[in-house]
Amino acid sequence: QLQLQESGPGLVKPSETLSLTCTVSGGSISSSSYYWGWIRQPPGKGLEWIGSIYYSGTTYYNPSLKSRVTISVDTSKNQFSLKLSSVTAADTALYYCARQVHIAVFIAHFDYWGQGTLVTVSS
Amino acid sequence: QSALTQPASVSGSPGQSITISCTGIRGDVGGYNYVSWYQQHPGKAPKIMIYDVSDRPSGVSNRFSGSKSGNTASLTISGLQAEDEADYYCTSNTSNSTLVFGGGTKLTVL
Repeated sequence: QLQLQESGPGLVKPSETLSLTCTVSGGSISSSSYYWGWIRQPPGKGLEWIGSIYYSGTTYYNPSLKSRVTISVDTSKNQFSLKLSSVTAADTALYYCARQVHIAVFIAHFDYWGQGTLVTVSS
Repeated sequence: QSALTQPASVSGSPGQSITISCTGIRGDVGGYNYVSWYQQHPGKAPKIMIYDVSDRPSGVSNRFSGSKSGNTASLTISGLQAEDEADYYCTSNTSNSTLVFGGGTKLTVL
């Protein structure tokens, strides 16, 4: 059974960089059938796609966050990571990692999700 | 990119059917058949319920069905049950090779 687990600091200061890692177990991150994505959910609000990465390093980002986001992959550790720079209180959210099906050049639905990790931006 | 438009809330009685709409533009919902729907219970991660407009993953009840007409996709839940009370989100890929979520709909089972 595929499992994803987010890890990283739960508290980040304003203007600093948020860094999270997603560890994949029960399957290979190098599968050609999937992308790997990050999604966030501010407290009491809806879901927002942050970006997705293929094992080769190809990335797609949400245009509204693109200037601050970097997603990378480490196939040797079966992990992928998120960095979000210059954070503000508006970046406080539950951050999820998930496996994403892709069809040709299109990224599609998420079929496996991590449990999520809460990141609070505060001094 | 703008979020897909969903009603903030819908409600129904046990046994009834409800439909949640998800409206986009030709550059997302209207142009592709990669609309998916997620169910999220409080404190839980989202769960895929429908993908590729109308396909159901293994293990999802056949009470859940999806469809699309033009720029609007729909999720229908028939034979409403108390356990269906949750938040529901739609997503679609876009012409810019990105993904966009709907704002979410809170389903209340009366």
